[in-house]
Parts: sequence; structure tokens; C-alpha cells
Amino acid sequence: GENVEQHPSTLSVQEGDSAVIKCTYSDSASNYFPWYKQELGKGPQLIIDIRSNVGEKKDQRIAVTLNKTAKHFSLHITETQPEDSAVYFCAATMGGSYIPTFGRGTSLIVHP
Amino acid sequence: DADVTQTPRNRITKTGKRIMLECSQTKGHDRMYWYRQDPGLGLRLIYYSFDVKDINKGEISDGYSVSRQAQAKFSLSLESAIPNQTALYFCATSSSGRDEQFFGPGTRLTVL
Repeated sequence: GENVEQHPSTLSVQEGDSAVIKCTYSDSASNYFPWYKQELGKGPQLIIDIRSNVGEKKDQRIAVTLNKTAKHFSLHITETQPEDSAVYFCAATMGGSYIPTFGRGTSLIVHP
Repeated sequence: DADVTQTPRNRITKTGKRIMLECSQTKGHDRMYWYRQDPGLGLRLIYYSFDVKDINKGEISDGYSVSRQAQAKFSLSLESAIPNQTALYFCATSSSGRDEQFFGPGTRLTVL
């Protein structure tokens, strides 16, 4: 089955800095890569996703890049704000399964 | 607002007790999922259901059972709870043919 590795497990940045979270996946059949944000006391919520036919996708301050050859994808957050503090999960979904395999999560702390 | 709700939000129980966690949704989605979240382990799939008559085991189904009572309701049962089932449990939904999952607020279960 699919295996997703996520790094780092904890990331601490100053407000205004950029943050990058990296994930690798094992199965080349995976073709959908979502990122979820989990705020304290809440369930995860999708913030951005990318499919295997696209190399990069951007939505305001967040962007995701995908390298299919190397089987890795990354989340980039620019101009971080305290409200970006949360746990972020990457996931990989094999084509047609609709069942994501999640990474272990990254706790992002943005210091004012 | 269309939503995913979970009851109870918190539960403390003793080893050997039977516990049921309930999930209901008003999103009109046909697919429902149960995940378990442990610190440092991310989200792991317990069971999933693609429609009322469809039940499938996930990665970690041992010790759990589920019931899909209606399209909008999906229950998770622990027949005889044990301490290593102490975790945060999330229900999620999705629409047929769509990848995005919508998570409930979670149930924090403690087994003493």
C-alpha cells in the first residue's frame, strides 16, 4: 500500500517568515495530493490540493509543488501569520480509490 | 449550514465497556469514514462506507465495528474498550466521485 512520510514534525517560525513542509510518497499510482489544516479542537479542513498532471498550484499565501519523478510534494506558506499556527497533514490518494493515506502531521507554530 | 456532527465530544470509560461513537451529516454525501488520530501518528483509517449497504475495513479495524444506519448516519463501536484505544476519533464524509473529505469536530475517548 501507499506510505507517506512528512517532515518536519514541528516547525517554529517568526511572523512574516516563510514555512515549508515536505512529504514523500511511495506508490507511483497516487495522483491526488491534498493538504489539510487542523486547528486546535477542530477537525482537519482541506486548504489546497494538487493532481499529478500539475506541477504547482497557488492560492494567495499558500502553494503546493509536486515532483512526480522524485515522488515528493511540498506545502509553502509565505508571510506567515499567527492564525497559520495549526497542525498540517499531507496525504496521497491512489487513482480511483478515494482513500487518502495521511502523513503524520506537522505542528506549525508562528510566533508574533 | 450543511455539517458533520459527532457525539459525544468527550467520553471517559473503563476497560471492557462497550462504547458507541456516532456521526451524522447534513451534507447529503454518500461516503463516510472513521479515522483515529494519535499524537505523532497522523490520521489512520478504521472503516469506510461508500453507501448504505457498503462497509469496508481500513488500516486498523481490529477491535472496532461500524454500522451505517442511513445515508446520513455512521456509528463506530468498541465492543470491549481497552486503554490503547484512547485517542481522538474523527468522522469524515465525501461525495461520490470527489476526493475532498469533510471532517467532524472529533470525539476524544479515554479508556481507563
